[in-house]
Amino acid sequence: NAGVMQNPRHLVRRRGQEARLRCSPMKGHSHVYWYRQLPEEGLKFMVYLQKENIIDESGMPKERFSAEFPKEGPSILRIQQVVRGDSAAYFCASSPDPVYNEQFFGPGTRLTVL
Amino acid sequence: GQNIDQPTEMTATEGAIVQINCTYQTSGFNGLFWYQQHAGEAPTFLSYNVLDGLEEKGRFSSFLSRSKGYSYLLLKELQMKDSASYLCAVTGGYGQNFVFGPGTRLSVLP
Repeated sequence: NAGVMQNPRHLVRRRGQEARLRCSPMKGHSHVYWYRQLPEEGLKFMVYLQKENIIDESGMPKERFSAEFPKEGPSILRIQQVVRGDSAAYFCASSPDPVYNEQFFGPGTRLTVL
Repeated sequence: GQNIDQPTEMTATEGAIVQINCTYQTSGFNGLFWYQQHAGEAPTFLSYNVLDGLEEKGRFSSFLSRSKGYSYLLLKELQMKDSASYLCAVTGGYGQNFVFGPGTRLSVLP
């Protein structure tokens, strides 16, 4: 019973490049959440998705960031034209149930922007 | 608005008991979660409270008072491996995202 999977685990990009982070939720989970964590700081909510729908993107910057969760395949967080301030750990979590919604976290993707 | 407060850092001795407090002010409430996060790793679930009172699970217990907007995590018989950050998170209800507190970094000393 595989847990939440994220890839890549580490990603290095130069300023101006694009970063694509992937998340495969646990089997049977249709709710996906993305969080960003800066060094020595707490988790900051970015976006909540269900299959083919963005439910809440109130935590996501208006520019350069986008997320999707297609009918088939993983959820993708996309950062265009990365800047040094985007360097952080990005965690994906999934849950099976929006009422009792314990979230199960993936191992994270550590993005470094040079 | 949404606001969750936790102490930034705590230190305790191996074998002792430590209580980590969390206060919250949120627009809705459908449960409070505690997660443990070791440095460089993903958060892992510890406990969930939705009703007032104490939930016990082995060496860990969590308490909730909804009227006071207050929770605590109690760790007994501390071990060195308990050195980690402890995150308090509140969910507002159906389809609501989690709001995480800043986390409390616990150091367990020999």
